[in-house]
Amino acid sequence: TQLLEQSPQFLSIQEGENLTVYCNSSSVFSSLQWYRQEPGEGPVLLVTVVTGGEVKKLKRLTFQFGDARKDSSLHITAAQPGDTGLYLCAGALEGGADGLTFGKGTHLIIQP
Amino acid sequence: EAQVTQNPRYLITVTGKKLTVTCSQNMNHEYMSWYRQDPGLGLRQIYYSMNVEVTDKGDVPEGYKVSRKEKRNFPLILESPSPNQTSLYFCASSLSPSGVSGELFFGEGSRLTVL
Repeated sequence: TQLLEQSPQFLSIQEGENLTVYCNSSSVFSSLQWYRQEPGEGPVLLVTVVTGGEVKKLKRLTFQFGDARKDSSLHITAAQPGDTGLYLCAGALEGGADGLTFGKGTHLIIQP
Repeated sequence: EAQVTQNPRYLITVTGKKLTVTCSQNMNHEYMSWYRQDPGLGLRQIYYSMNVEVTDKGDVPEGYKVSRKEKRNFPLILESPSPNQTSLYFCASSLSPSGVSGELFFGEGSRLTVL
């Protein structure tokens, strides 16, 4: 059973469109992170959210942590080809001490 | 420059031939971890280390060994590689395992093929 379910798995849209990627779980997390991975490279941290209901913005990217700290979303406004990549959510379980659990990721392609 | 360095980046080997993938970080991080990334399965943790001489199994430790004799280094050892260990491997380090200070810094990955 996957602890963190990401959806959709694959998404291909046109430049300029908006999109939302979801990360869901039945477990409570003390914090949740979003990473982006480009081909041939390791994942790079985009944001960490720690408070239920928290919203963080990074230029055209908006991240939200669910009120119950069980889920998160990533919204991209006016997507650009440079947003193309694999987006991974990763959570630290409440009371856990052994690191992050990763979702399987969302492969995003933004077509010019 | 703060970084995690893995070597080799690419390796093709044969079943049963012992190999070591090295990992070194220059950020004085206490926590280090190894992941493998496979299509459809995502990133899965192999082993992790909270500090020098402290290592523990992750989700998929079978067939792997690690050691943490120095803070900066965390090598991954495949004593007798098998084809099902063909994968993309990532080493990562962090100030702490979770929370705001738990940002993972990843290496560039090591693509291993076992024939």
